[in-house]
Amino acid sequence: SQKIEQNSEALNIQEGKTATLTCNYTNYSPAYLQWYRQDPGRGPVFLLLIRENEKEKRKERLKVTFDTTLKQSLFHITASQPADSATYLCALTSGNTGKLIFGQGTTLQVKP
Amino acid sequence: EPEVTQTPSHQVTQMGQEVILRCVPISNHLYFYWYRQILGQKVEFLVSFYNNEISEKSEIFDDQFSVERPDGSNFTLKIRSTKLEDSAMYFCASDQKGGGVGYNEQFFGPGTRLTVL
Repeated sequence: SQKIEQNSEALNIQEGKTATLTCNYTNYSPAYLQWYRQDPGRGPVFLLLIRENEKEKRKERLKVTFDTTLKQSLFHITASQPADSATYLCALTSGNTGKLIFGQGTTLQVKP
Repeated sequence: EPEVTQTPSHQVTQMGQEVILRCVPISNHLYFYWYRQILGQKVEFLVSFYNNEISEKSEIFDDQFSVERPDGSNFTLKIRSTKLEDSAMYFCASDQKGGGVGYNEQFFGPGTRLTVL
């Protein structure tokens, strides 16, 4: 069956360190993979999109990698800040209708 | 910056009642979606909508659900006869290009919390 898995344990790190979040998927061949941020009681907010033919994408302190052989994406936040504390969602696009299939999310807590 | 809006922010209803959740997508977007998130669970796709018709729906989106774009701005989700298990946060989203070539990000609304008693 198709699965998207993110490390379900909360990630606690110290301010200034790099946070690395993992997204693994099985039985999908996504054309795109996206990362969203979700704060409690709010809707997801888009962060980065990476295509299947791209290995890495950067935006300010954020970096995403996409390995279609390993079926894995890594999401990095460098120089993390307490304001980065949130739940981060990995989402795959499958098909032509724009449907997003989300992982369960990883909660990041950055301690000052 | 343009944003997706949703009303109401919280809806409480009795089991068996009909509810309509409303969304105003970003004005130049062409693709519209509804997702739901049961408390503590993942965000789940319900339906995608383009050119005034459903382009894809999930198994969750059964005959009790319907969507409509009644005018040029609103996009609604109707649940005909609510069940306890319909209690969730419902998110509307929109994007410019859908899932084809040049796909880009979806913009989500703040959500409507539906509580079915």
